[in-house]
Amino acid sequence: EVQLVESGGGLVKPGGSLRLSCAASGFGFGTYNINWVRQAPGKGLEWVASIGSDETFTPHADSVKGRFTISRDNAKNSVYLQMNSLRVEDTAVYYCSRSLHTGTGDHWGQGTLVTVSS
Amino acid sequence: DIQMTQSPSTLSASVGDRVIITCRASESLNSRLAWYQQRPGKAPKLLIHQTSTLESGVPARFSGSGSGTEFTLTISSLQPDDFATYYCQQYKIYWTFGQGTKVELK
Repeated sequence: EVQLVESGGGLVKPGGSLRLSCAASGFGFGTYNINWVRQAPGKGLEWVASIGSDETFTPHADSVKGRFTISRDNAKNSVYLQMNSLRVEDTAVYYCSRSLHTGTGDHWGQGTLVTVSS
Repeated sequence: DIQMTQSPSTLSASVGDRVIITCRASESLNSRLAWYQQRPGKAPKLLIHQTSTLESGVPARFSGSGSGTEFTLTISSLQPDDFATYYCQQYKIYWTFGQGTKVELK
């Protein structure tokens, strides 16, 4: 069974940092892109970042560029999202999902909540 | 960046109704258009990819169509399980989602 499990969310002050993790199982992790998508409370879905199977493909949304960094460890079947200089507007549920390189997300995790507040 | 415009934002309907949601892209997507269903507190669920290909296990009352920049999601006969929010998404260049359409009970 394909599983994606996010962790690392929590409450952080503006300007702080968090590192989210996405642990994958049940499929050939090394052949898939992994993507982060977030959803602010009561709002729609916003793509955050993606990473290719070999880490040469790592686009980030303009709203997080320079503050967030996506990475992966294929030996641990995991993807990470390092979030620095957090802002109140980064408050959201963060989901990870898998996709083939030119595809869309066919499996998603349950999400982890990040709250940025003083 | 590719912009996605989805309408309507809210749709009131009854069980058995035919429901149509539209999505417009700011440039041609070469069919790289997907539809998701999201229930409150849950992750999005992929319904349709490549404009019209139904995901395994998705009921046949869901269908997708369109080309170029104009796309539609149709639910042929709305069922109680279908009251949810629906998002279109382009995946031609990175990902962009529409604003969402909440299907609610009339």
